[in-house]
Amino acid sequence: KAGVTQTPRYLIKTRGQQVTLSCSPISGHRSVSWYQQTPGQGLQFLFEYFSETQRNKGNFPGRFSGRQFSNSRSEMNVSTLELGDSALYLCASSLRVNYGYTFGSGTRLTVV
Amino acid sequence: AQSVAQPEDQVNVAEGNPLTVKCTYSVSGNPYLFWYVQYPNRGLQFLLKYITGDNLVKGSYGFEAEFNKSQTSFHLKKPSALVSDSALYFCAVRGFSGGYNKLIFGAGTRLAVHP
Repeated sequence: KAGVTQTPRYLIKTRGQQVTLSCSPISGHRSVSWYQQTPGQGLQFLFEYFSETQRNKGNFPGRFSGRQFSNSRSEMNVSTLELGDSALYLCASSLRVNYGYTFGSGTRLTVV
Repeated sequence: AQSVAQPEDQVNVAEGNPLTVKCTYSVSGNPYLFWYVQYPNRGLQFLLKYITGDNLVKGSYGFEAEFNKSQTSFHLKKPSALVSDSALYFCAVRGFSGGYNKLIFGAGTRLAVHP
């Protein structure tokens, strides 16, 4: 079956702009989580959605937001981009909490 | 505070030799533990998890991990390393931090398998 699909794979944005990243989970998975990966901070949890509700949230500023649709697809949005937002953004889906998480290939965001 | 430590930035091993990638954790309550592998320019691939039950967990690609509650460790092992095992390995624990449940990752260990 198809894995977790993240689009786009690569993105270049200018400081101050906003960006929306998309994640389509594995069919039947209702939990979607987002992570930011940078060389300096490693893997940092952003948020987790289950059945269109945000269940968990990491320690990121309000510029980072997300949502989940009724078909379990999820989007995350970053407003007023800063250079430090340059990272690999990973999405993971799971049947339910504490099950194995399947990650997508990520979206590499570069802010210039 | 919930945390995961991977004490080695890099592990070097010769092909055919056994490998161990270390992980220790700190979490209140029963730990839910995971190992993931990341190849260059790719996302994370799930290797194995420990939720409950047998302390020796077998996973993908011949990897296994041993849960040790008294030492709060969850080391990843493989009896015979392959060059293709060279990648970045992450240990993670499902923990409760800042009022929320989340997957907390270690800093990662780069495994280099030499021919």
